[in-house]
Amino acid sequence: EIVLTQSPGTLSLSPGERATLSCRASQSVSSSYLGWYQHKPGQPPRLLIYAASGRATGIPDRFSGSGSGTDFTLTISRLEPEDSAVYYCQFYGSSSYTFGQGTKLEIK
Amino acid sequence: EVQLVQSRAEVKKPGESLKISCKGSGYSFTSYWIAWVRQMPGKGLEWMGVIYPGDSETRYSPSFQGQATISVDKSISVAYLQWSSLKASDTAMYYCARHPGGDAFDVWGQGTMVTVSS
Repeated sequence: EIVLTQSPGTLSLSPGERATLSCRASQSVSSSYLGWYQHKPGQPPRLLIYAASGRATGIPDRFSGSGSGTDFTLTISRLEPEDSAVYYCQFYGSSSYTFGQGTKLEIK
Repeated sequence: EVQLVQSRAEVKKPGESLKISCKGSGYSFTSYWIAWVRQMPGKGLEWMGVIYPGDSETRYSPSFQGQATISVDKSISVAYLQWSSLKASDTAMYYCARHPGGDAFDVWGQGTMVTVSS
């Protein structure tokens, strides 16, 4: 079973800065099956990125995804206070839908 | 509007049974998988299993096989997650999500909080 490891565990940045979140897979995965979600307290998770770099409907272009093989990245440029959340990567292929453990993004 | 609406929060005692629901609307319910995802207090997201309403094919995470049962009633566009004997460790928020085959979980329900306590 594929294991996804996210880093860092917590990231604390100021508005206007750029956040770089990492997701590493235990084995090479197809980028077609790698997604990112934003999860705020009291709300359901929201899909941000699908297929490693496709932006979901309604997601601002400040959010971008990249990567291939075992290493994937979510970049959030020009941070805003409402970007404070936990971000999860997910592999959704081969009848397995594993989530990473999450990165908590704090906006100072 | 595509929506998944989940049943209300539940408080149960250990050993009791429970069935929570997830109703889809605004799309062809039988054409998309429904996933169930658990979030225990203070923890991350864990996928439990998925079901295809078109033919009721079900796949469970190895971690949840035998722990709970996923089912569907396609005539009323509702998916279910049920337990026959709850444990305190089942206390969690449970989300359903729509899963286009081969794609990410694109629409989520609002979540159902299940509390199991004596």
